[in-house]
Amino acid sequence: QKEVEQNSGPLSVPEGAIASLNCTYSDRGSQSFFWYRQYSGKSPELIMFIYSNGDKEDGRFTAQLNKASQYVSLLIRDSQPSDSATYLCAVNRNGTASKLTFGTGTRLQVTL
Amino acid sequence: DGGITQSPKYLFRKEGQNVTLSCEQNLNHDAMYWYRQDPGQGLRLIYYSQIVNDFQKGDIAEGYSVSREKKESFPLTVTSAQKNPTAFYLCASSGARFYQPQHFGDGTRLSIL
Repeated sequence: QKEVEQNSGPLSVPEGAIASLNCTYSDRGSQSFFWYRQYSGKSPELIMFIYSNGDKEDGRFTAQLNKASQYVSLLIRDSQPSDSATYLCAVNRNGTASKLTFGTGTRLQVTL
Repeated sequence: DGGITQSPKYLFRKEGQNVTLSCEQNLNHDAMYWYRQDPGQGLRLIYYSQIVNDFQKGDIAEGYSVSREKKESFPLTVTSAQKNPTAFYLCASSGARFYQPQHFGDGTRLSIL
């Protein structure tokens, strides 16, 4: 089992729809969870982070965390073509405050 | 502007050559990291440092070396022992707390000549 798992996609959604990106993790001691967006050929850019169970909203983005199910998700409302990118889920490693384990990413395509 | 600067943007390595990738940050972050990204794969941790003059191996440290003589700087040397160095190298920095996110530089693309 991979430490951080994401569906590689591509996930295709029409413009204006909600995109739902999912991530599961294996380390029950993980405390913080991050979503990064990476455009092709560019470096990752932080979108959101969450460390409490429940939802956290920032503009069109909502992160959802369920520690009991070891599941974190990112919702993108009113998806735009500019949201087309690979979304990386990262989870901190238990016992090492700042080290992260990254998933391999989900490629999102927003179609016109 | 605060940020992380990586140089060069592109680098070519000859057989048997060591090359050094630069990473400088002015965010006053304690921790710095080096990752490698191969096509279609996630980021893999090479080395990290949580304090000046101290660093730890990550998951794929073989064939790489680092130093952390200043808080702002964390250069990575890709040695000739690294047989498959072609990749996208990313430097990141963060605070030391678990809830503080890592921020990335623009990356260096390394290729073999």
